[in-house]
Amino acid sequence: DIVMTQSPDSLAVSLGERATINCKSGHSVLDSSNNKNYLAWYQQKPGQPPKLLIYWASTRESGVPDRFSGSGSGTDFTLTISSLQAEDVAVYYCQQCFSTPYTFGQGTKLEIK
Amino acid sequence: QVQLVQSGAEVKNPGASVKISCKASGYTFTSYYVHWVRQAPGQGLEWMGGIDPRDGRTSYAQTFQGRVTVTRDTSTTTVYMEVTSLTSDDTAVYYCMREAVDDSPRGQPFDIWGQGTVVTVSS
Repeated sequence: DIVMTQSPDSLAVSLGERATINCKSGHSVLDSSNNKNYLAWYQQKPGQPPKLLIYWASTRESGVPDRFSGSGSGTDFTLTISSLQAEDVAVYYCQQCFSTPYTFGQGTKLEIK
Repeated sequence: QVQLVQSGAEVKNPGASVKISCKASGYTFTSYYVHWVRQAPGQGLEWMGGIDPRDGRTSYAQTFQGRVTVTRDTSTTTVYMEVTSLTSDDTAVYYCMREAVDDSPRGQPFDIWGQGTVVTVSS
């Protein structure tokens, strides 16, 4: 199984500041045949199901604000929120869909400082 | 609109089984796999398994092999997951979600999720 490890486990950022969450996979999730990284990011607010934010490491899902961006390749990835808004308070998960079993990171709790 | 609507909360005794449903609407049922993920209280997300609605072929996480069965009914565009031999460790919110069918060996992201079904296992 591909182990996904996020850092930090929790993060407190001031409104309007940048938030950065890291995700490391135990195996490359880059498919060299098409140069796609099979890495997605989800946001989960309390009492709600996760919501897809980013896929293929850097493609924003339709309707997701452009303050959310994803980067990285191979085994190291980053989710960046360029200017934190109050509604961004949530737990964020990375997930690999390179191979089954699809695995998630342990989650990063983002709060307002 | 595109949605997955799950059945309601369940309370079960240890050793019992539970069967949860996930009704798909607003899209072509056979164009998307359906998967199941669970989330224990205060914990992260754990992929359990999934089904290809075109032919009913399934894939399960090793942890759940033999104890989880996912089926589908194409006439009602509904996917079911049954978990047997429940223990308190199975107390969790269970989510279904869809993944676009793509016959490549790689997966696609889960773009639509159900609202979740709370399963409580307690004597």
